[in-house]
Amino acid sequence: NAGVTQTPKFQVLKTGQSMTLQCAQDMNHEYMSWYRQDPGMGLRLIHYSVGAGITDQGEVPNGYNVSRSTTEDFPLRLLSAAPSQTSVYFCASSQRTGPGYEQYFGPGTRLTVT
Amino acid sequence: GQSLEQPSEVTAVEGAIVQINCTYQTSGFYGLSWYQQHDGGAPTFLSYNALDGLEETGRFSSFLSRSDSYGYLLLQELQMKDSASYFCAVNNNAGNMLTFGGGTRLMVKP
Repeated sequence: NAGVTQTPKFQVLKTGQSMTLQCAQDMNHEYMSWYRQDPGMGLRLIHYSVGAGITDQGEVPNGYNVSRSTTEDFPLRLLSAAPSQTSVYFCASSQRTGPGYEQYFGPGTRLTVT
Repeated sequence: GQSLEQPSEVTAVEGAIVQINCTYQTSGFYGLSWYQQHDGGAPTFLSYNALDGLEETGRFSSFLSRSDSYGYLLLQELQMKDSASYFCAVNNNAGNMLTFGGGTRLMVKP
C-alpha cells in the first residue's frame, strides 16, 4: 500500500491564481481530511469528508473548496490564492469516522503564494 | 470553541524521562490523542485516551483526567530520535473533527 499520497510536494503561486492539491489513499478509508500547518504551529482543519459525496467544513474553510467523488480521492481547491494561504498542507485519512481512529497523514504540500 | 495548551518547548537528556502536559477546553469531548512530528515530516499517531487513566505503549505512555481536562504524554528512556514536536488533539463534533494544540518541541541532548 502506498498509504496517503499528495501532489505536488512543492508549489509556488501568484496571488489570485487557482490550483488543486491532490490527495489519494489506497486503504479504503472512510474518513479524509485536509489540514494546514503554519510555521511553528499546530494543524488546523480545513475540510473533511465522512464518505464519498459527503463533505463538511472544518475550522478554517474560507478560500478552499473540496469534493469527494470517490472513496480514494479528496482534492483541495484554492479558488484565488492569497499570501495568507502560504502554508504546508496535509491530507489525512482514517479507517472510520469518529473519535479514536488513527489518522494517517500524507507527506504534505509546501505552498508559497507571492 | 476548542482550545488546547501545551508547553512550547522542552529539553531533556538522553536516557531521561520527560512529561509533556496538555490542558484543554472543549465542548463535547470524546478523547485526547497524541501525534509526533519530526522536522519536515508528517504527523504520526502515538496514542488515544478516551477514559481516565494511563495507556502504555512501549516507551511512551499517555494519561487522561477528564475531570481536570488534562492529559500528558510520558516518554521514557529518551533517545536522540525522540527529538520532534508532539501535539495533543481533541475529538469533537461527534468525533468528526480533530483540533490540535500548538505543539511541544522536544529536544533530546546527549
